[in-house]
Amino acid sequence: NAGVMQNPRHLVRRRGQEARLRCSPMKGHSHVYWYRQLPEEGLKFMVYLQKENIIDESGMPKERFSAEFPKEGPSILRIQQVVRGDSAAYFCASSQGRGAVDGYTFGSGTRLTVV
Amino acid sequence: GESVGLHLPTLSVQEGDNSIINCAYSNSASDYFIWYKQESGKGPQFIIDIRSNMDKRQGQRVTVLLNKTVKHLSLQIAATQPGDSAVYFCAENGGSQGNLIFGKGTKLSVKP
Repeated sequence: NAGVMQNPRHLVRRRGQEARLRCSPMKGHSHVYWYRQLPEEGLKFMVYLQKENIIDESGMPKERFSAEFPKEGPSILRIQQVVRGDSAAYFCASSQGRGAVDGYTFGSGTRLTVV
Repeated sequence: GESVGLHLPTLSVQEGDNSIINCAYSNSASDYFIWYKQESGKGPQFIIDIRSNMDKRQGQRVTVLLNKTVKHLSLQIAATQPGDSAVYFCAENGGSQGNLIFGKGTKLSVKP
């Protein structure tokens, strides 16, 4: 059981470029959650997806950010035209059922640095 | 002792002592709470959870206490070890659709 796999671990982008962050959930998990963590702060919810569906995107910025979880392959968090304020650690969690009570496992995160 | 600085609150304890980390949660409708441990450069790691129909739950060296009246959660670590040094977050399921609401975190520093 490889756990929740995120890649890349570190990503450096220049302002205006696009960032793509990948998350492969644990085997058997069909629910994926993305969180963002700024330095010395707690994690903030961004988006919750099931296969091919966005269930809740109430934490996503309205512009430049999008997420998908296709039928095949990892979930992708995409940030277009990155700005310095996007620099953060982005964590993905997966669960078998809806919500943390069904077992919520976090990946090791992708640390995005915008220069 | 415990101090609140400009950033994360920090709790500094001597190895072998007991640690108590506190958390105030926000949503009175939350019915499930989790404590996570996060080491530098890693993702949050599950420590212990508790449902709102309980006020205490014990694990190995850890105990979580829940006071719903004042919306307060605490994590007690017995015989704290250097490997316990990390940032500890409480989280509640008060968000919609199963997402978690995280507290600000407390940095635990264990002195040998």
